[in-house]
Amino acid sequence: AQSVAQPEDQVNVAEGNPLTVKCTYSVSGNPYLFWYVQYPNRGLQFLLKYITGDNLVKGSYGFEAEFNKSQTSFHLKKPSALVSDSALYFCAVRDGGGPFYGNNRLAFGKGNQVVVIP
Amino acid sequence: EAGVTQSPTHLIKTRGQQATLRCSPISGHTSVYWYQQALGLGLQFLLWYDEGEERNRGNFPPRFSGRQFPNYSSELNVNALELEDSALYLCASSSGFSGTRIGGYTFGSGTRLTVV
Repeated sequence: AQSVAQPEDQVNVAEGNPLTVKCTYSVSGNPYLFWYVQYPNRGLQFLLKYITGDNLVKGSYGFEAEFNKSQTSFHLKKPSALVSDSALYFCAVRDGGGPFYGNNRLAFGKGNQVVVIP
Repeated sequence: EAGVTQSPTHLIKTRGQQATLRCSPISGHTSVYWYQQALGLGLQFLLWYDEGEERNRGNFPPRFSGRQFPNYSSELNVNALELEDSALYLCASSSGFSGTRIGGYTFGSGTRLTVV
């Protein structure tokens, strides 16, 4: 079964410092990987995705993620964190059975609370 | 372009009652997904509808059910409510089977269900 793991419950980082949110995955076949962000009392917003191609994926709001197949990881990164980046971050994976076949649902991790300290 | 809309925003029910939650997808999207976000448990997949049919179901009891209408809107019904059903219920939409290839899901802001 497809799954993702986000090992840290909370990530604290000082404003201006690099931010990393960790995610590892487990799928059969090729992975389609996603990051979403959730602000208080809101739904999830799409940040970026990895389908194929370059291992470094650039997304919204200055975020990027690095796909590492050997380590089955897809860590989210931002070079310089802002206070406004404080939110709940979710990693998700879809079983890559081809874009037109199979299970289209996403499995989400439990989320990481990011706190950026001014 | 209107996003994914969910109603009501908040819903308070007593144990044993039924709750109905509604979702309207983005225009042109045919797939609707329902997730439960309970405190500390992340997002748990409930149901996926596409073109009016249930495509997949998560590990939830049968009292969680739903349907998708011809206009692709959807409703989630929870019967015989239990206290542990209290959670944020999120609806998302995508453009069918290829939705996650394009840009992932688009989520609504959710319905906060409280069972007392």
